[in-house]
Amino acid sequence: GQQVMQIPQYQHVQEGEDFTTYCNSSTTLSNIQWYKQRPGGHPVFLIQLVKSGEVKKQKRLTFQFGEAKKNSSLHITATQTTDVGTYFCAGPTSGGSNYKLTFGKGTLLTVNP
Amino acid sequence: EAQVTQNPRYLITVTGKKLTVTCSQNMNHEYMSWYRQDPGLGLRQIYYSMNVEVTDKGDVPEGYKVSRKEKRNFPLILESPSPNQTSLYFCASSFSTGNTGELFFGEGSRLTVL
Repeated sequence: GQQVMQIPQYQHVQEGEDFTTYCNSSTTLSNIQWYKQRPGGHPVFLIQLVKSGEVKKQKRLTFQFGEAKKNSSLHITATQTTDVGTYFCAGPTSGGSNYKLTFGKGTLLTVNP
Repeated sequence: EAQVTQNPRYLITVTGKKLTVTCSQNMNHEYMSWYRQDPGLGLRQIYYSMNVEVTDKGDVPEGYKVSRKEKRNFPLILESPSPNQTSLYFCASSFSTGNTGELFFGEGSRLTVL
């Protein structure tokens, strides 16, 4: 079945450093979503990318969708302690039902103040 | 306030004792889904529902049941809980059909089965 893989699994940075997490799918995705889960919290939607090569920015966060629509990345510039949490990518399952969203295992970001 | 509400938030139970985790959303969403989250395994989909009386299996449906009799409610039923169902459970809903729209998650229900 389709797999959505995320790397790295963990990332520890000093406040002010940049951070990037990568998401790769075994199949072409029609779209990809990104979520953030704070420690002890629930996943919160960040963004959805649909077009090949799409780049979207939210303040210090930059999201990219690969040209082949099989990979995506989330880059945070100048991390802050408020960025701490687990970042998940999620893509729709290919084939069969169109109503399943497969999540990557997430990247846990910790920030040293 | 738009929200997805789950109950109970925390539960400790024993093997074999039937339990239900309720989920309710007030956004008139058609799509609802249950996920479990386990360390190192991320979020895995248990069941989902595209509308009233329409449900289907996710990736890990074994040991669970669901029902969707009303649009706003999507309870998760564990008929005979076992220790391997100890997990953090999230209910989520979406205006669209789940893979093209933003998912709104509940606060989570932490279940321990002894």
